[in-house]
This record gives sequence, structure tokens and C-alpha cells, in this order.
Amino acid sequence: DSGVTQTPKHLITATGQRVTLRCSPRSGDLSVYWYQQSLDQGLQFLIQYYNGEERAKGNILERFSAQQFPDLHSELNLSSLELGDSALYFCASSAGTGDYEQYFGPGTRLTVT
Amino acid sequence: GQSLEQPSEVTAVEGAIVQINCTYQTSGFYGLSWYQQHDGGAPTFLSYNALDGLEETGRFSSFLSRSDSYGYLLLQELQMKDSASYFCAVLYNQGGKLIFGQGTELSVKP
Repeated sequence: DSGVTQTPKHLITATGQRVTLRCSPRSGDLSVYWYQQSLDQGLQFLIQYYNGEERAKGNILERFSAQQFPDLHSELNLSSLELGDSALYFCASSAGTGDYEQYFGPGTRLTVT
Repeated sequence: GQSLEQPSEVTAVEGAIVQINCTYQTSGFYGLSWYQQHDGGAPTFLSYNALDGLEETGRFSSFLSRSDSYGYLLLQELQMKDSASYFCAVLYNQGGKLIFGQGTELSVKP
């Protein structure tokens, strides 16, 4: 158990819908990272927040957005969902801004039908 | 662009040694990390190389050569529980952006 929690564990929704994935980092960690893992694309970095501020950005779609709240939990919002958005979404956390050791949560499996 | 290449599958027997290679085409990164992932579970950190050379952590060792754009993960005394996917990842000098390879699925046979 990494200490990172993610909810929900599974999510099934229809195309065109919007969902919110939630992540609570390990106690004391200030950075939260979001990754998408699909069969054909592997693990893709989406975005990083550090202490409430966006720190680094990957190839995150415009339909996706994220934020980190004052209590350091983070939410990833996915809208206008497409079939291709079906994937495992992982949140990770670390203490600092540029840590090579990141602690991953159990993931949210999103299925878009 | 940024790309990392790893073999897609490797098979070895219990007790053996296996090496998983990672070649990359990228620049401006801090170092090379290795992560293990069991069957869709959470990736877990194994090792990191900031400098060229070998880093040893128990049964696992990792190597980096920046001049050759190459690294590897060495697993010794293989156990059945080592059957998993192994990912190399480069850490970029912009926050904590980790760019992952496609992963190598290791199967350990008795």
C-alpha cells in the first residue's frame, strides 16, 4: 500500500459524459501526478500539480482538466468522453517537485461504452 | 521527440539472471528510473540512475550510459513473484514529468 488513495476504483459511463476522478496523496506529499494507461499507449504522463499550482504538463487533451485543492487532494475531470478514453488512470504523489520516486495509487479503471 | 524502447516480452527460469534493456532518444533529462507493475496494479519504484554506472538495490541493479543512450535493469536470483511488467522512464527537467517506455513483460518459469 503506497498511501495514495484513488476513488472510484471502477467507473463505467457512456460516450459524451463527464466524470471526475479523485486522488488523495500520501501524507506530507505536495506533488500530485496524473497518468493514463491504455493498452496501445502505455503509461502516459498527463499533468503534475505541486502545492496547488500546475507544475508540468504532458499531452493532456483539452477535454481533460485537473486541479489540486488546498488540502492537497486532486481531481481529474474528463469531459465529452470518447471510447478511446477507456483506460486506467493513475495518480501518483511525491514530496517534492521533481522526484524520480513517485508513489502510485491503485488506479481508477474507466470504461466508456 | 522523446521515445524509449524496451523488449515487449522476456522469459526466464526461476533462479536465473535476466537483463531488461532500455534505449532512448531524448535529451535534457535528469535520470532513468525503473518501475515494476503487477497485472494492472499500481506501478512501484525499483531503481534510479542519475549518473552513468551501476546502482545496486538487493537483487535488482540498474545501469545507465548517457553516451550510449542506453540503460538496463538486471534482476538476479529470479523468483516467481518477479513475473510482472517492467518500465523504464526518464525524468525530465521540468517538474516531475516521467516519460515511460512501453514496458517489458517478464515471465518467470519454474
